Amino acid sequence: AQTVTQSQPEMSVQEAETVTLSCTYDTSESNYYLFWYKQPPSRQMILVIRQEAYKQQNATENRFSVNFQKAAKSFSLKISDSQLGDTAMYFCAFMKPRSQGGSEKLVFGKGTKLTVNP
Amino acid sequence: GAGVSQSPSNKVTEKGKDVELRCDPISGHTALYWYRQRLGQGLEFLIYFQGNSAPDKSGLPSDRFSAERTGESVSTLTIQRTQQEDSAVYLCACQRVPNTGELFFGEGSRLTVL
Repeated sequence: AQTVTQSQPEMSVQEAETVTLSCTYDTSESNYYLFWYKQPPSRQMILVIRQEAYKQQNATENRFSVNFQKAAKSFSLKISDSQLGDTAMYFCAFMKPRSQGGSEKLVFGKGTKLTVNP
Repeated sequence: GAGVSQSPSNKVTEKGKDVELRCDPISGHTALYWYRQRLGQGLEFLIYFQGNSAPDKSGLPSDRFSAERTGESVSTLTIQRTQQEDSAVYLCACQRVPNTGELFFGEGSRLTVL
């Protein structure tokens, strides 16, 4: 079974600075997807960024980028120019899609609580 | 609707009572998931519906838990004979495009079992 580990329960960063959140996962699969989801205090989870394992290029979405190291099974999230609205829980997740013989269940890590300080 | 709607937002019940949680997904989103989030924990998969296929119930923790979905619309999660360890936020999510993992979540139903 796949597992996702986020080793940083809490982190903080000053506004406008850069922060990196860590995620490692364990799988024997070669084709899969990885995600970072954000859960603000309002509770509603939203997708931040998605990476397909067969793509070597790291995904980027505006201020958010990932460092995907497939051999090391590492998938970190970098937030540049941090903003107060980035304060949230961040969850790393793994999925093997049904088209690749998987179940389409997302397996989540326990999350990292990020606080952006003014 | 514009987003995933869950009700009730908060539910307090006594141990041993049955509860029903409702999820109204985004129209046209064929896949629907239920997850459980205990305080300070990650999301725990419960059940997955995809169109008319048999649901994936592999995450349901016991036979006290069940879920139904009518077609591609509303889903209900039922917990019978609630226990204190059932206290959690129950999150519903839907997926517009299969195989993408791009889920749209509701705000959840917070269940407290006294």
